[in-house]
Amino acid sequence: EVQLVESGGGLVQPGRSVRLSCAASGFTFDGYAMHWVRQPPGKGLEWVSSISWNSYIMDYADSLKGRFTISRDNAKNSLYLQIDSLRPEDTALYYCAKDRRSYSTDMDVWGQGTTVTVSS
Amino acid sequence: QSALTQPASVSGSPGQSITISCTGTSSDVHYYDSVSWYQHHPGKAPKLIIYEVSNRPSGVSNRFSGSKSGNAASLTISGLQAEDEADYYCRSYTTFTSHVFGGGTKVTVL
Repeated sequence: EVQLVESGGGLVQPGRSVRLSCAASGFTFDGYAMHWVRQPPGKGLEWVSSISWNSYIMDYADSLKGRFTISRDNAKNSLYLQIDSLRPEDTALYYCAKDRRSYSTDMDVWGQGTTVTVSS
Repeated sequence: QSALTQPASVSGSPGQSITISCTGTSSDVHYYDSVSWYQHHPGKAPKLIIYEVSNRPSGVSNRFSGSKSGNAASLTISGLQAEDEADYYCRSYTTFTSHVFGGGTKVTVL
């Protein structure tokens, strides 16, 4: 069974950093692109970032470029998202999602998410 | 990149069919055959129900169907059931920023 389990969220002060992790199992992790998608409280889904199977291609939502860094460790079957200079508007449920292919197409399996709350 | 436009809510009685629209632009929905739809029950992981405009993943009910015309894509749910009550999101590949989601549509089964 394909499983994605996010971790690393919590209450963080504005201006600080957080690193989210996603542990993958049940599929050949290094064969697929991966994504981060977030959902602010009471709002819809927002694509954050994608990374190809080999980390050669990384994309970010325009409004988030510069503060967000996606990465992966295929040896550890893990995906990461580093968020720097956190702002209150970054408060959201952050989902890790698997792509259908090795390059970015769309998201076919999602985790349950990890919540980041940015507040002093 | 603005979100794709979806109606905020759609409702129907059990057994009826409903259609959710997803309107984009020439830079996303119109240009790419990479439109997908997700069903999201609050508190659970979103579920892919349609990919590449009209394809259903294995295990997804054939009551769900998708289509596209010009700048707009649509999701139709036929034979509406209580379990279909959820939020539904469209997503498209886009020229500018890879992916863009719709604002979401809450489906209510009356």
